[in-house]
Amino acid sequence: DAGVTQSPTHLIKTRGQHVTLRCSPISGHKSVSWYQQVLGQGPQFIFQYYEKEERGRGNFPDRFSARQFPNYSSELNVNALLLGDSALYLCASSLGHVETQYFGPGTRLLVL
Amino acid sequence: GENVEQHPSTLSVQEGDSAVIKCTYSDSASNYFPWYKQELGKRPQLIIDIRSNVGEKKDQRIAVTLNKTAKHFSLHITETQPEDSAVYFCAPSGGSYIPTFGRGTSLIVHP
Repeated sequence: DAGVTQSPTHLIKTRGQHVTLRCSPISGHKSVSWYQQVLGQGPQFIFQYYEKEERGRGNFPDRFSARQFPNYSSELNVNALLLGDSALYLCASSLGHVETQYFGPGTRLLVL
Repeated sequence: GENVEQHPSTLSVQEGDSAVIKCTYSDSASNYFPWYKQELGKRPQLIIDIRSNVGEKKDQRIAVTLNKTAKHFSLHITETQPEDSAVYFCAPSGGSYIPTFGRGTSLIVHP
């Protein structure tokens, strides 16, 4: 059974651009969460989606948005990229709203 | 929001010693208490978790203990091995469901 997958694995963008990151959860998992991890720190919660509805939002600006599709896959969008958005973006899936989370390999974003 | 602190930030032990990492949290509504291990360049992976109706859970060399009254839970690793070297994160959640990760503890096990 496949684990959580994310695409792309690496991405280089310039300031002001827009980026879309994608995540496919483990089969049967209905919840997807997004995290930002800056080097040397713990993952910071951005969003959680459960059954295609936003169930939680972390302390991130409105430039960050996400959605979940009928097949439970998810996209994270970031507009007007800043240098400080450079980080590892992790997606995690779980069966339900408060359950064990399984992380994907992440997308490493570099903003120049 | 939840305030989470991990101690120590770095822990250096000799192979075979025990290691203990403590996580304190502020939200009394938290009811799910996991520990994740992240090796360099890899994704975080759950190693053990506990729910609020249980005080202790053990899985081979790893155990987690929970003190809900004092609002802290701890990760215990016995007979440490070099492959235990990694960064460990706690991430309590349950109240508002916004999991808050600690800043991490870097465990170094010297052969």
